[in-house]
Amino acid sequence: DTGVSQDPRHKITKRGQNVTFRCDPISEHNRLYWYRQTLGQGPEFLTYFQNEAQLEKSRLLSDRFSAERPKGSFSTLEIQRTEQGDSAMYLCASSRVQGQGLNEQYFGPGTRLTVT
Amino acid sequence: DAKTTQPPSMDCAEGRAANLPCNHSTISGNEYVYWYRQIHSQGPQYIIHGLKNNETNEMASLIITEDRKSSTLILPHATLRDTAVYYCIVRVTNAGNMLTFGGGTRLMVKP
Repeated sequence: DTGVSQDPRHKITKRGQNVTFRCDPISEHNRLYWYRQTLGQGPEFLTYFQNEAQLEKSRLLSDRFSAERPKGSFSTLEIQRTEQGDSAMYLCASSRVQGQGLNEQYFGPGTRLTVT
Repeated sequence: DAKTTQPPSMDCAEGRAANLPCNHSTISGNEYVYWYRQIHSQGPQYIIHGLKNNETNEMASLIITEDRKSSTLILPHATLRDTAVYYCIVRVTNAGNMLTFGGGTRLMVKP
């Protein structure tokens, strides 16, 4: 257990429905990241926050995806009008970026989304 | 970030050393070599990182060649619980931004 938690762990939804995932990072970590991983592939970066500010978004993050981190603590990732291609593991990670220090990312267990 | 090349899979006998290679011939001077692993159905786990000197921690050792174009992650006494996908990533540290994962090496530790 890295201290990063994600909820739910599994989600099955029908095509066209909206889904929302939650990530709770390690409490003193100021950066929070979202990745997506499809079967047999490495994780792919989606977006990240420093405190409450969303600093970077991947081209993978279509306009159906939105992420928030309203108070600089937990984050939510919402997918609207889900498509079968959205089926994947959604991973959250957090890190503490401070000066010149090490900033390895700690990952949560992921939320596995299946769109039927 | 520089591109990395890893073998897709490797086997190792339990109790023996597992040596996982990574090629990063385009690495630049300010890029570090990071290793993460991902055990089935879990999120990736940080293992170790280095710039040019060899590094060792409680999990593994990292050997980086003098020209920094390749490196080897060593698990000195592999156990069945070390069966995982191992990712070699080259990145500028202190940037705090995303990790770029390749395909990794699927290590199977066999009894």
